[in-house]
Amino acid sequence: AQTVTQSQPEMSVQEAETVTLSCTYDTSESDYYLFWYKQPPSRQMILVIRQEAYKQQNATENRFSVNFQKAAKSFSLKISDSQLGDAAMYFCAYRSARYRVQGNLIFGKGTKLSVKP
Amino acid sequence: AAGVIQSPRHLIKEKRETATLKCYPIPRHDTVYWYQQGPGQDPQFLISFYEKMQSDKGSIPDRFSAQQFSDYHSELNMSSLELGDSALYFCASSFTGGVNEQYFGPGTRLTVT
Repeated sequence: AQTVTQSQPEMSVQEAETVTLSCTYDTSESDYYLFWYKQPPSRQMILVIRQEAYKQQNATENRFSVNFQKAAKSFSLKISDSQLGDAAMYFCAYRSARYRVQGNLIFGKGTKLSVKP
Repeated sequence: AAGVIQSPRHLIKEKRETATLKCYPIPRHDTVYWYQQGPGQDPQFLISFYEKMQSDKGSIPDRFSAQQFSDYHSELNMSSLELGDSALYFCASSFTGGVNEQYFGPGTRLTVT
């Protein structure tokens, strides 16, 4: 079974600075997707960024980028120029690409990010 | 852009009662997923449907059932409610003709008293 581990329950960053959230996963599959979701106090789950395992290039979405290390099974999220609105719970998630239809998300326990003004 | 719609947003029930949660996926999305998020926990997968057929099942109690209708909306039926069923229930939808990114609805907060 696949597992996702986020070892940092809480992180803090100063506004305008950069922070990196860690995520490791365990799988025997070679084809899969990895995601970061943001859950602000409203509890809405918002997709931040995704990475296909077959792609070597790290995904980037504006101020958000990932460091995907497939051999190490590591998938960290870097937030640059942190803003107050980035304060939220961040979940790392895994999805198998083995089946075209099946593919529920497996989440880590989350990292609560605080942004200091 | 249209998003996933869930209703009701809040629901208060007593123990042993029944609850029905509804989900309307993003237009043209063919797969619906249900997740349960307890207080301070990560979302846990319950069940999913593809083209109105159950496609996968997770940690869904036998007291719960779900279906997807011809218009692709889905309903999660929960019977004999227990205090431990109090949680945030998310519906997510995706389109299989791509990366299968799952987009979440705002959730239904169920409180069982």
